[in-house]
This record gives sequence, C-alpha cells and structure tokens, in this order.
Amino acid sequence: GAVVSQHPSRVICKSGTSVKIECRSLDFQATTMFWYRQFPKQSLMLMATSNEGSKATYEQGVEKDKFLINHASLTLSTLTVTSAHPEDSSFYICSARGYRGTGELFFGEGSRLTVL
Amino acid sequence: GNSVTQMEGPVTLSEEAFLTINCTYTATGYPSLFWYVQYPGEGLQLLLKATKADDKGSNKGFEATYRKETTSFHLEKGSVQVSDSAVYFCALSDHAGGTSYGKLTFGQGTILTVHP
Repeated sequence: GAVVSQHPSRVICKSGTSVKIECRSLDFQATTMFWYRQFPKQSLMLMATSNEGSKATYEQGVEKDKFLINHASLTLSTLTVTSAHPEDSSFYICSARGYRGTGELFFGEGSRLTVL
Repeated sequence: GNSVTQMEGPVTLSEEAFLTINCTYTATGYPSLFWYVQYPGEGLQLLLKATKADDKGSNKGFEATYRKETTSFHLEKGSVQVSDSAVYFCALSDHAGGTSYGKLTFGQGTILTVHP
C-alpha cells in the first residue's frame, strides 16, 4: 500500500537552532500534505495544510514564521522549526493525500523533536 | 467548531476479551467518522470509516456504527488479540462522502494493551 515516510524519527537540538523534518510519499504523488502536532496524551492538532507549488495554509494560532512549510514537489514536504525553544518539543506527524482514487490520507511515522 | 472526545485510557485487557472504546463528537453539518490505529513505531492507519447516519464500518473484526442521535461512533471488537495492542484515534472530517480529503479533527487517542 501507499507509504509516507518521515525523517528524522527523532531529533534533539539546542535551543535557538533550526530543525528540518521531511515528509515523503514513497509510491504516490501527494497533492496535499497536512502537518500535525501531538502533545503527550493529547490529540493530533492540525498545524497547516500544504499544497504542492503554493503557500501553506496555517491554522489559527500557528506561527507561520516559526513553522516554515515547503511543498516543493509532489512527493516531498518539509517542516522547519526555526529558532527552536523547549516549548516546541513535541511529536510532529505528517499526512499525505493522493492525487487519484479516494483521496485517503496516509500518515507518516512521526518525528519526535526535543529541544534542550 | 468540531471536536471529538474519546474515552480515556489506557485500556488493558486479556486476550479474547470484549473491547469498547467510546467516542462522541460535536460537528456542524454531516461529518464523516473514522477510526485510525497506530501500532508501535508506525504511522496512523485507517481502521474503518462511516459516512452517514446508521452506517457501520468494519475491518479486522472491529466495528463502529455512526449514531447521529447520540453523536457517537464507539469502537467494538468481540475478541481482542495481543496484536491489537496499539493507540486508537477517533476522528471526523467535515466533508461528507467518505473520502478523508478534508481536515481531520482527532480525539486524544486511547492506548490499548492486550495481555496473553
């Protein structure tokens, strides 16, 4: 079946640095990708929707300058956490929607960010 | 706005026990409802879905019925196995029709552990 891969699965960084997380659709073209954030014991919160070749649409309360999203190709979207701080530590999950078929969403394995 | 409330976990059961994970929702219009499962180390996978009132979604022995009158979509399985141990997420989409192309609103997830 369709596979969405995230990298890295875990990353630890120092406060003030920037971290990039990649989301790839491995065997299908993803016209739309969604980025979620999950806090411990809480539900997934949608951060933004990215469409290939256009600017991402951010949910209310999400800082677009802190969480930079780029969807440069039909198989790759990136989330860059800029000037990361400890409060940005979280589990980030991407999902991708295919170009054809039912448009079912496929999820990546998630990336755990820890900011020291 | 839309919201999904799941029964709090973790849930611990013995093999072959009956499982119920409660899920209720608040939404405008006619949402589609989903259950996703996340096995350890993997991304979320669609388990089952229902697109309209009284629809029953089923897969791998799991079932859930879309109850509009009680705004519920409880997940059930008659006899759980150790391999069912995972995190289960209830979700809704504000686009009717079954395709999960719309934004998903998730419940907080319920951890299920099944012992031999």
